[in-house]
Amino acid sequence: DAKTTQPNSMESNEEEPVHLPCNHSTISGTDYIHWYRQLPSQGPEYVIHGLTSNVNNRMASLAIAEDRKSSTLILHRATLRDAAVYYCILRVHAGGTSYGKLTFGQGTILTVHP
Amino acid sequence: NAGVMQNPRHLVRRRGQEARLRCSPMKGHSHVYWYRQLPEEGLKFMVYLQKENIIDESGMPKERFSAEFPKEGPSILRIQQVVRGDSAAYFCASSPRQLPDTEAFFGQGTRLTVV
Repeated sequence: DAKTTQPNSMESNEEEPVHLPCNHSTISGTDYIHWYRQLPSQGPEYVIHGLTSNVNNRMASLAIAEDRKSSTLILHRATLRDAAVYYCILRVHAGGTSYGKLTFGQGTILTVHP
Repeated sequence: NAGVMQNPRHLVRRRGQEARLRCSPMKGHSHVYWYRQLPEEGLKFMVYLQKENIIDESGMPKERFSAEFPKEGPSILRIQQVVRGDSAAYFCASSPRQLPDTEAFFGQGTRLTVV
């Protein structure tokens, strides 16, 4: 799988927007960009995914650079519950047949201050 | 629609015993994935199964570990003759179709402690 690079940690204040960056300079044309997060002592939770266009859902927005070599997860108003490890993952098609392995890196530890 | 259910949530085994971890995917999901998270480490893929078939087991240790997803019933991750190094959180996820163009839903995990 293509490699992603994320900052080890970021901090934010409650009710402020948070922009979590991810670099993936070796991304290929068929790679989807997935974001998951893991709250303390819980299982990972899907946040959002996209291919080329920016995506919005109830949790967050995903902004994908035009050349697709980077993306940014945007939390519009951080809450204390958003404190978690955020993972940016590329999921590739393998030989035309996609399959299910999500490769988690170290992620970004997001701290939200009251 | 209930989420991915894993049981037990906590499991304590003595060295040499067997551990059986169960995962019931979300209703309508036929794709199941198992991950392991060692203390203070990241999530590592173990195995991907579709009903009655192992699709990718590239992350499974070669010995003592096995997984199944029968036609009826939950997926089972089985660890024989457990050792202290098997102590970890084991997470199961399911999806309605093959990734990557869909999301995976994770359970709350089984925390295995080997004493």
